[in-house]
Amino acid sequence: EPEVTQTPSHQVTQMGQEVILRCVPISNHLYFYWYRQILGQKVEFLVSFYNNEISEKSEIFDDQFSVERPDGSNFTLKIRSTKLEDSAMYFCASSRTADYGYTFGSGTRLTVV
Amino acid sequence: AQSVTQLGSHVSVSEGALVLLRCNYSSSVPPYLFWYVQYPNQGLQLLLKYTTGATLVKGINGFEAEFKKSETSFHLTKPSAHMSDAAEYFCAVRGPGNQFYFGTGTSLTVIP
Repeated sequence: EPEVTQTPSHQVTQMGQEVILRCVPISNHLYFYWYRQILGQKVEFLVSFYNNEISEKSEIFDDQFSVERPDGSNFTLKIRSTKLEDSAMYFCASSRTADYGYTFGSGTRLTVV
Repeated sequence: AQSVTQLGSHVSVSEGALVLLRCNYSSSVPPYLFWYVQYPNQGLQLLLKYTTGATLVKGINGFEAEFKKSETSFHLTKPSAHMSDAAEYFCAVRGPGNQFYFGTGTSLTVIP
């Protein structure tokens, strides 16, 4: 069964550093998403991406964050100047259409120290 | 506005017993509802979804859920719990723009 692949599975970074979380969505999917889950809290929407542009973003997704689809397969989330409170599990997801259920990746656990 | 409330952050059942995980939703539009399961150190796996049509939906691993509009509920059930069902379960409602709103999750423990 097709999967959404995320790398790395765990990343540790120092406060103030930039990190790039990588995702390979399912190949025929057109809609891409990032969510995050702070330990013990809800899974929260960050951003959706379609046709090479952001279609929707949450309040969390401020200027510190950016997304990119640099080639035909990867979908990245960049976090600039990381803060301790950015520590969370970050999930990438993709869907074939806007009405279709998501397929989530296994997540990247980001730890900011 | 869209939101989901999951009653009970922890549920314990004996192996072979009925599993009932509760979810109530709020939605300003006809809801699309989902249940996801998360095993330790893994991603979110879709169990089942309700979009339109039949209100009783069947999912993977023997789970099913019933959409009750009058009760704004979408509770997840399984007749007989198995040890492998131990996981975190998330209810979600889809909002405008295909954004999902998740509940806080229910951790299911299955006692041998």
